[in-house]
Amino acid sequence: GQNIDQPTEMTATEGAIVQINCTYQTSGFNGLFWYQQHAGEAPTFLSYNVLDGLEEKGRFSSFLSRSKGYSYLLLKELQMKDSASYLCAVTGQAGTALIFGKGTTLSVSS
Amino acid sequence: GAGVSQTPSNKVTEKGKYVELRCDPISGHTALYWYRQSLGQGPEFLIYFQGTGAADDSGLPNDRFFAVRPEGSVSTLKIQRTERGDSAVYLCASSALGGSQETQYFGPGTRLLVL
Repeated sequence: GQNIDQPTEMTATEGAIVQINCTYQTSGFNGLFWYQQHAGEAPTFLSYNVLDGLEEKGRFSSFLSRSKGYSYLLLKELQMKDSASYLCAVTGQAGTALIFGKGTTLSVSS
Repeated sequence: GAGVSQTPSNKVTEKGKYVELRCDPISGHTALYWYRQSLGQGPEFLIYFQGTGAADDSGLPNDRFFAVRPEGSVSTLKIQRTERGDSAVYLCASSALGGSQETQYFGPGTRLLVL
């Protein structure tokens, strides 16, 4: 079966650091993606991991542990504009289609 | 074009009617995907095109849903005899070659409401 779990909601304050976790159980694994989606808008690509370890890109970093079926997205120096839904997605054995979690809604307050 | 475009942005229809949703992918992208996103959920895969052919249609919920991509660029998602449960945002995405490690770029979606 395919299962991707993320927390439903998280809150944080401007300037803080937040970590959004994602666990997955899928038939095969070809990589894990993180997307950001503002309300009413298209998902936009943030990061991709296929090997274990940390990928850093500016204020955003993503970590993957394939043996544990676990990833996290780390957002530093939070800004109000970071308030959005963060989607964890996996490409599995079946092909190239993305299998998404339900998303984590992050609210950043001042 | 610069990005993936979708039309219409909003569509309201009555139960039982037929609708067509259009997707124009990034120029030169051979892979095109359709997803459906209900409120509070992540996108759910519907169908994947590689060029003109449907390489994977395992996500289509039933035979009321059909999609085409006759010239390998623009795609149309067709829904017959719409039901209230079809109400959702229909997202289209494209990628350069369709590899499982490639980034998919999403359009803004079509918000379909079936009354």
